[in-house]
Amino acid sequence: ETGVTQTPRHLVMGMTNKKSLKCEQHLGHNAMYWYKQSAKKPLELMFVYSLEERVENNSVPSRFSPECPNSSHLFLHLHTLQPEDSALYLCASSHRQGYEQYFGPGTRLTVT
Amino acid sequence: DQQVKQNSPSLSVQEGRISILNCDYTNSMFDYFLWYKKYPAEGPTFLISISSIKDKNEDGRFTVFLNKSAKHLSLHIVPSQPGDSAVYFCAASEKAGGNEKLTFGTGTRLTIIP
Repeated sequence: ETGVTQTPRHLVMGMTNKKSLKCEQHLGHNAMYWYKQSAKKPLELMFVYSLEERVENNSVPSRFSPECPNSSHLFLHLHTLQPEDSALYLCASSHRQGYEQYFGPGTRLTVT
Repeated sequence: DQQVKQNSPSLSVQEGRISILNCDYTNSMFDYFLWYKKYPAEGPTFLISISSIKDKNEDGRFTVFLNKSAKHLSLHIVPSQPGDSAVYFCAASEKAGGNEKLTFGTGTRLTIIP
């Protein structure tokens, strides 16, 4: 596998479920990001990890919980979500001091 | 308040002609600007970038122009090809503690008409 991969690609969950999104990067980067893309809105930065430490938490509700066990893997744990959390969730990675971020294909999440 | 704006949600251009996509920003602390291209069911892919110390950057068919006084940048694609049909996002960055934080626009859907 090359680049940034995300699993699953599609996820439907009820409001009481707990699920996790997974991201893996094969680019040797040391910073990773979670973004949310809702319809007709710009990409919203949710979390930033640099050298496996969380350096940014953009006022995201606690029902979203990120985890970065190493520089290649990033998870987003989901619990008791709301229907308005339905969106495309994108993972990205970059070199810590670089500007260009490389994105995965995203997970399309639907909360019912 | 949106700091990066793409006021045209869509644009149609004849194949072979020039496509011009526009982007405006409000934050004078932005020092680096990027364009991303997104196909359906894929994540955005990096296309071209420009530092605030330059006013033009060219890469093959793609040229980005930056007008700092107007807080405006544009992406020119010439000649336009059918494979250029995609959503284009403008993004801006201000270095914050060594980790760039990208602020995105809402995107412009470009359709190239054969």
